[in-house]
Amino acid sequence: QKEVEQDPGPLSVPEGAIVSLNCTYSNSAFQYFMWYRQYSRKGPELLMYTYSSGNKEDGRFTAQVDKSSKYISLFIRDSQPSDSATYLCAMSAEIVLTGGGNKLTFGTGTQLKVEL
Amino acid sequence: NAGVTQTPKFRILKIGQSMTLQCAQDMNHNYMYWYRQDPGMGLKLIYYSVGAGITDKGEVPNGYNVSRSTTEDFPLRLELAAPSQTSVYFCASSKPRDRGLETQYFGPGTRLLVL
Repeated sequence: QKEVEQDPGPLSVPEGAIVSLNCTYSNSAFQYFMWYRQYSRKGPELLMYTYSSGNKEDGRFTAQVDKSSKYISLFIRDSQPSDSATYLCAMSAEIVLTGGGNKLTFGTGTQLKVEL
Repeated sequence: NAGVTQTPKFRILKIGQSMTLQCAQDMNHNYMYWYRQDPGMGLKLIYYSVGAGITDKGEVPNGYNVSRSTTEDFPLRLELAAPSQTSVYFCASSKPRDRGLETQYFGPGTRLLVL
């Protein structure tokens, strides 16, 4: 079983729709929960992150973490064609890499297309 | 700031050849990382460095080597290329924090095809 599971999609929605992207995980030591956005042929960029459980909102994006269910979500409201990308969830425990830094465990990514 | 830069963008190698993937950052970040991204597999950590002269293995280090002689540069060396090393390689960097999560900034990637 993978530590982090993510539906690869593709997910196609009309412009203006609410999008829900999800990941499940098995490692209860994870405390940081991140969402990265990756445009085609580009590197991932951090969209937002949450520490432990709860919600976090940033403009049209809302991240939710349910540690009891080991389930995280990213909601995109009023989706735009510019949101078309692959969305990667990533997680990290408190324990850092030897000498420093966070060890990130990534999901496989969900490909999203927002159509006009 | 250019951020994290990687060269080359794309390369085709024959089995057994060697090459160096270049990575540089101009943000004065101490931490640097190399990942590979394979379809359906997510990003996997190959090697990382917490400062000049200090490197350590990640999840999938076999077949690769790194060095970190300066804060800015973190090259990844493939000595004997194998088809299993066909992948997209990403370099990332981050700044240490006293506590919490440090944000990793990624380069644009190098696509490598080994035939």
